[in-house]
Amino acid sequence: DTAVSQTPKYLVTQMGNDKSIKCEQNLGHDTMYWYKQDSKKFLKIMFSYNNKELIINETVPNRFSPKSPDKAHLNLHINSLELGDSAVYFCASSQLDGRAFNEQFFGPGTRLTVL
Amino acid sequence: GQQVMQIPQYQHVQEGEDFTTYCNSSTTLSNIQWYKQRPGGHPVFLIQLVKSGEVKKQKRLTFQFGEAKKNSSLHITATQTTDVGTYFCAGRSKTSYDKVIFGPGTSLSVIP
Repeated sequence: DTAVSQTPKYLVTQMGNDKSIKCEQNLGHDTMYWYKQDSKKFLKIMFSYNNKELIINETVPNRFSPKSPDKAHLNLHINSLELGDSAVYFCASSQLDGRAFNEQFFGPGTRLTVL
Repeated sequence: GQQVMQIPQYQHVQEGEDFTTYCNSSTTLSNIQWYKQRPGGHPVFLIQLVKSGEVKKQKRLTFQFGEAKKNSSLHITATQTTDVGTYFCAGRSKTSYDKVIFGPGTSLSVIP
């Protein structure tokens, strides 16, 4: 039983293409996140959704567009891919209880390589 | 904006030696979490510290939260090869509780 799943695991594509990464969690959490981890392993938050509503949108190019059809899913669409987009993208989820900050459960990651 | 720093960036130890990583925030934190990421894996939650001066232990791992709630440390006693990985601290600011900031991580190598 995978708590947070992502597809695909690997994505190799050409510059200029458009691609999507899907994420699903079966933990019943109301908050989901997208992180980008670069080659130096730095984990940078990109977006956060709470109950399908965007609550965090870091300085990410407009080419990145998250979509949350329901609170169990948070997909990431990337337009016009660039070389600098190559990274591992992690989806995560957590339960936000008021102001309480609960642990985040991470998906296995999607390694995106842009050629 | 809020910044979270970790030192050292890399640490190589002989198996059996102790290891410590330090986490420092530019702002006061409401709480702090620690995660471990094995090579090729994803971050996995280890622990959360909430109270000023809190100390928690998990077997050979000891976690501390500073009195001012701006720093934290993770100490591993008698490292084993299974401890290899990158250790991240993640803090939530008292003023912007929606956002979690991860430190850059400390990468631990254990030489058998």
